[in-house]
Amino acid sequence: AQSVTQLGSHVSVSEGALVLLRCNYSSSVPPYLFWYVQYPNQGLQLLLKYTSAATLVKGINGFEAEFKKSETSFHLTKPSAHMSDAAEYFCALEGSNTGNQFYFGTGTSLTVIP
Amino acid sequence: DTAVSQTPKYLVTQMGNDKSIKCEQNLGHDTMYWYKQDSKKFLKIMFSYNNKELIINETVPNRFSPKSPDKAHLNLHINSLELGDSAVYFCASSHRTQAPEQFFGPGTRLTVL
Repeated sequence: AQSVTQLGSHVSVSEGALVLLRCNYSSSVPPYLFWYVQYPNQGLQLLLKYTSAATLVKGINGFEAEFKKSETSFHLTKPSAHMSDAAEYFCALEGSNTGNQFYFGTGTSLTVIP
Repeated sequence: DTAVSQTPKYLVTQMGNDKSIKCEQNLGHDTMYWYKQDSKKFLKIMFSYNNKELIINETVPNRFSPKSPDKAHLNLHINSLELGDSAVYFCASSHRTQAPEQFFGPGTRLTVL
Protein backbone atom coordinates (compact mmCIF):
# COMPACT_ATOMS: atom_id res chain seq x y z
CA ALA A 1 0.00 0.00 0.00
CA GLN A 2 1.12 3.53 -0.73
CA SER A 3 0.91 6.42 1.71
CA VAL A 4 2.56 9.70 2.59
CA THR A 5 2.99 11.22 6.03
CA GLN A 6 3.88 14.85 6.56
CA LEU A 7 5.10 15.53 10.06
CA GLY A 8 3.96 18.88 11.35
CA SER A 9 0.80 20.43 10.00
CA HIS A 10 2.15 23.89 10.84
CA VAL A 11 5.74 25.10 10.66
CA SER A 12 6.92 28.60 11.52
CA VAL A 13 10.34 29.97 10.64
CA SER A 14 11.94 33.39 10.77
CA GLU A 15 12.76 35.16 7.56
CA GLY A 16 16.25 34.08 6.51
CA ALA A 17 16.15 30.86 8.53
CA LEU A 18 16.34 27.32 7.21
CA VAL A 19 13.10 25.77 6.02
CA LEU A 20 12.67 22.03 6.67
CA LEU A 21 9.39 20.32 5.84
CA ARG A 22 9.24 16.60 6.53
CA CYS A 23 7.77 13.88 4.38
CA ASN A 24 7.92 10.13 4.90
CA TYR A 25 6.45 7.62 2.53
CA SER A 26 5.39 4.02 2.36
CA SER A 27 5.42 2.19 -0.93
CA SER A 28 5.68 -1.42 -2.01
CA VAL A 29 7.22 -0.37 -5.34
CA PRO A 30 9.87 2.22 -6.23
CA PRO A 31 8.05 5.51 -5.87
CA TYR A 32 7.98 8.76 -7.70
CA LEU A 33 7.85 11.61 -5.17
CA PHE A 34 6.76 15.21 -5.52
CA TRP A 35 6.47 18.41 -3.58
CA TYR A 36 3.75 20.88 -4.48
CA VAL A 37 3.08 24.37 -3.13
CA GLN A 38 -0.35 25.96 -2.82
CA TYR A 39 -0.66 29.69 -2.30
CA PRO A 40 -3.95 31.03 -0.90
CA ASN A 41 -6.88 30.62 -3.27
CA GLN A 42 -4.72 29.03 -5.96
CA GLY A 43 -4.09 25.61 -7.40
CA LEU A 44 -1.12 23.39 -6.68
CA GLN A 45 2.20 24.21 -8.32
CA LEU A 46 4.95 21.64 -8.75
CA LEU A 47 8.09 22.52 -6.78
CA LEU A 48 10.17 19.48 -7.60
CA LYS A 49 10.04 15.77 -8.36
CA TYR A 50 12.05 12.61 -7.77
CA THR A 51 11.80 9.98 -10.48
CA SER A 52 14.65 7.58 -9.58
CA ALA A 53 17.48 9.61 -11.05
CA ALA A 54 19.58 11.80 -8.74
CA THR A 55 18.61 11.48 -5.09
CA LEU A 56 19.14 15.20 -4.45
CA VAL A 57 16.56 17.10 -6.41
CA LYS A 58 16.56 20.84 -6.98
CA GLY A 59 13.36 22.68 -7.65
CA ILE A 60 12.02 26.14 -8.19
CA ASN A 61 12.36 29.08 -5.80
CA GLY A 62 15.52 27.68 -4.19
CA PHE A 63 13.90 24.54 -2.76
CA GLU A 64 15.49 21.13 -2.83
CA ALA A 65 14.70 17.67 -1.49
CA GLU A 66 16.69 14.53 -0.88
CA PHE A 67 15.36 11.03 -1.44
CA LYS A 68 16.58 8.67 1.28
CA LYS A 69 15.43 5.13 0.69
CA SER A 70 16.84 3.82 3.97
CA GLU A 71 14.77 6.37 5.89
CA THR A 72 11.80 6.34 3.46
CA SER A 73 11.99 10.11 3.51
CA PHE A 74 11.81 12.98 1.05
CA HIS A 75 12.21 16.12 3.14
CA LEU A 76 11.98 19.57 1.57
CA THR A 77 14.53 22.23 2.45
CA LYS A 78 15.42 25.80 1.61
CA PRO A 79 18.47 27.50 3.12
CA SER A 80 16.88 30.89 3.67
CA ALA A 81 13.16 31.55 4.01
CA HIS A 82 11.50 34.47 2.28
CA MET A 83 8.17 36.01 3.17
CA SER A 84 6.87 34.86 -0.20
CA ASP A 85 7.43 31.22 0.83
CA ALA A 86 4.44 31.33 3.17
CA ALA A 87 2.02 28.78 1.74
CA GLU A 88 0.70 25.23 2.07
CA TYR A 89 3.10 22.49 0.99
CA PHE A 90 2.09 19.01 -0.08
CA CYS A 91 4.20 15.91 -0.49
CA ALA A 92 2.86 13.35 -2.94
CA LEU A 93 3.73 9.85 -4.07
CA GLU A 94 2.97 7.93 -7.20
CA GLY A 95 3.62 4.24 -7.12
CA SER A 96 4.76 3.09 -10.52
CA ASN A 97 2.00 0.52 -10.75
CA THR A 98 -0.93 2.69 -9.72
CA GLY A 99 -1.86 4.23 -13.05
CA ASN A 100 -0.68 7.73 -12.19
CA GLN A 101 -2.69 7.81 -8.97
CA PHE A 102 -1.19 10.28 -6.54
CA TYR A 103 -1.24 9.84 -2.80
CA PHE A 104 -1.02 13.21 -1.07
CA GLY A 105 0.12 14.01 2.42
CA THR A 106 -2.10 16.11 4.63
CA GLY A 107 -0.10 19.25 3.94
CA THR A 108 2.14 21.55 5.98
CA SER A 109 1.32 25.21 6.38
CA LEU A 110 4.49 27.30 6.39
CA THR A 111 4.48 30.65 8.16
CA VAL A 112 7.42 33.01 7.73
CA ILE A 113 7.94 35.50 10.54
CA PRO A 114 9.52 38.82 9.60
CA ASP B 1 -1.71 30.71 -21.95
CA THR B 2 -3.50 28.86 -19.20
CA ALA B 3 -2.42 25.23 -19.04
CA VAL B 4 -5.32 23.79 -17.03
CA SER B 5 -8.40 25.95 -16.71
CA GLN B 6 -11.62 25.47 -14.77
CA THR B 7 -14.95 27.21 -14.88
CA PRO B 8 -16.48 28.59 -12.82
CA LYS B 9 -14.01 29.70 -10.17
CA TYR B 10 -16.76 30.16 -7.60
CA LEU B 11 -20.09 28.39 -7.43
CA VAL B 12 -22.73 29.11 -4.81
CA THR B 13 -25.92 27.10 -4.94
CA GLN B 14 -28.77 25.67 -2.90
CA MET B 15 -29.07 22.12 -1.59
CA GLY B 16 -30.74 19.80 -4.05
CA ASN B 17 -29.59 21.63 -7.16
CA ASP B 18 -27.58 20.09 -9.98
CA LYS B 19 -24.38 21.81 -11.13
CA SER B 20 -21.44 21.22 -13.44
CA ILE B 21 -17.80 22.23 -13.36
CA LYS B 22 -15.80 22.30 -16.55
CA CYS B 23 -12.11 21.62 -17.04
CA GLU B 24 -9.90 22.05 -20.08
CA GLN B 25 -6.18 21.46 -20.59
CA ASN B 26 -4.06 22.64 -23.50
CA LEU B 27 -0.94 20.66 -22.60
CA GLY B 28 -1.60 17.74 -24.89
CA HIS B 29 -1.89 15.41 -21.90
CA ASP B 30 -3.75 12.13 -22.12
CA THR B 31 -4.87 11.79 -18.50
CA MET B 32 -7.10 14.07 -16.46
CA TYR B 33 -8.22 14.00 -12.83
CA TRP B 34 -10.69 15.46 -10.39
CA TYR B 35 -9.73 16.08 -6.78
CA LYS B 36 -11.72 17.35 -3.82
CA GLN B 37 -10.00 19.52 -1.22
CA ASP B 38 -11.87 19.87 2.04
CA SER B 39 -11.76 22.67 4.58
CA LYS B 40 -8.71 21.10 6.22
CA LYS B 41 -6.84 21.18 2.90
CA PHE B 42 -6.94 17.40 2.54
CA LEU B 43 -6.79 16.35 -1.12
CA LYS B 44 -8.74 13.34 -2.25
CA ILE B 45 -8.69 11.84 -5.74
CA MET B 46 -12.16 11.35 -7.14
CA PHE B 47 -11.77 10.28 -10.74
CA SER B 48 -9.19 9.85 -13.46
CA TYR B 49 -9.63 9.50 -17.20
CA ASN B 50 -7.04 8.31 -19.67
CA ASN B 51 -7.86 8.94 -23.33
CA LYS B 52 -11.52 9.36 -22.38
CA GLU B 53 -11.54 6.05 -20.48
CA LEU B 54 -12.28 5.99 -16.75
CA ILE B 55 -9.28 4.49 -14.94
CA ILE B 56 -9.67 5.68 -11.35
CA ASN B 57 -13.04 5.82 -9.67
CA GLU B 58 -12.66 6.24 -5.95
CA THR B 59 -15.44 5.82 -3.45
CA VAL B 60 -17.51 8.82 -4.41
CA PRO B 61 -21.31 9.14 -4.21
CA ASN B 62 -22.92 8.31 -7.52
CA ARG B 63 -24.36 11.83 -7.51
CA PHE B 64 -20.96 12.76 -8.95
CA SER B 65 -20.53 11.90 -12.61
CA PRO B 66 -17.49 12.77 -14.68
CA LYS B 67 -17.72 13.18 -18.42
CA SER B 68 -14.84 13.36 -20.85
CA PRO B 69 -15.95 14.43 -24.33
CA ASP B 70 -12.34 14.40 -25.55
CA LYS B 71 -8.80 14.15 -24.18
CA ALA B 72 -8.62 17.88 -23.47
CA HIS B 73 -11.80 18.13 -21.42
CA LEU B 74 -13.07 16.53 -18.23
CA ASN B 75 -16.27 17.87 -16.73
CA LEU B 76 -17.80 17.07 -13.36
CA HIS B 77 -21.54 16.97 -12.91
CA ILE B 78 -23.03 16.86 -9.45
CA ASN B 79 -26.68 15.97 -8.84
CA SER B 80 -28.75 16.75 -5.76
CA LEU B 81 -26.09 18.82 -4.06
CA GLU B 82 -25.63 18.39 -0.31
CA LEU B 83 -24.04 20.61 2.32
CA GLY B 84 -21.11 18.20 2.58
CA ASP B 85 -20.25 18.75 -1.06
CA SER B 86 -18.96 22.22 -0.19
CA ALA B 87 -15.25 22.14 -0.98
CA VAL B 88 -12.69 23.22 -3.54
CA TYR B 89 -12.58 20.97 -6.59
CA PHE B 90 -9.38 20.75 -8.59
CA CYS B 91 -8.86 19.43 -12.04
CA ALA B 92 -5.41 18.15 -13.03
CA SER B 93 -3.75 16.57 -16.02
CA SER B 94 -0.65 14.56 -16.86
CA HIS B 95 0.94 12.60 -19.64
CA ARG B 96 0.71 9.08 -18.34
CA THR B 97 3.71 7.58 -20.10
CA GLN B 98 6.01 10.56 -20.61
CA ALA B 99 6.10 12.25 -17.23
CA PRO B 100 4.31 11.44 -13.99
CA GLU B 101 3.80 14.94 -12.59
CA GLN B 102 0.32 16.37 -12.57
CA PHE B 103 -0.56 19.95 -13.45
CA PHE B 104 -3.39 21.51 -11.53
CA GLY B 105 -6.06 23.99 -12.42
CA PRO B 106 -6.89 26.98 -10.21
CA GLY B 107 -9.78 25.24 -8.49
CA THR B 108 -13.53 25.77 -8.20
CA ARG B 109 -14.84 26.74 -4.79
CA LEU B 110 -18.28 25.18 -4.38
CA THR B 111 -20.51 26.43 -1.59
CA VAL B 112 -23.79 24.64 -0.95
CA LEU B 113 -26.28 26.57 1.16
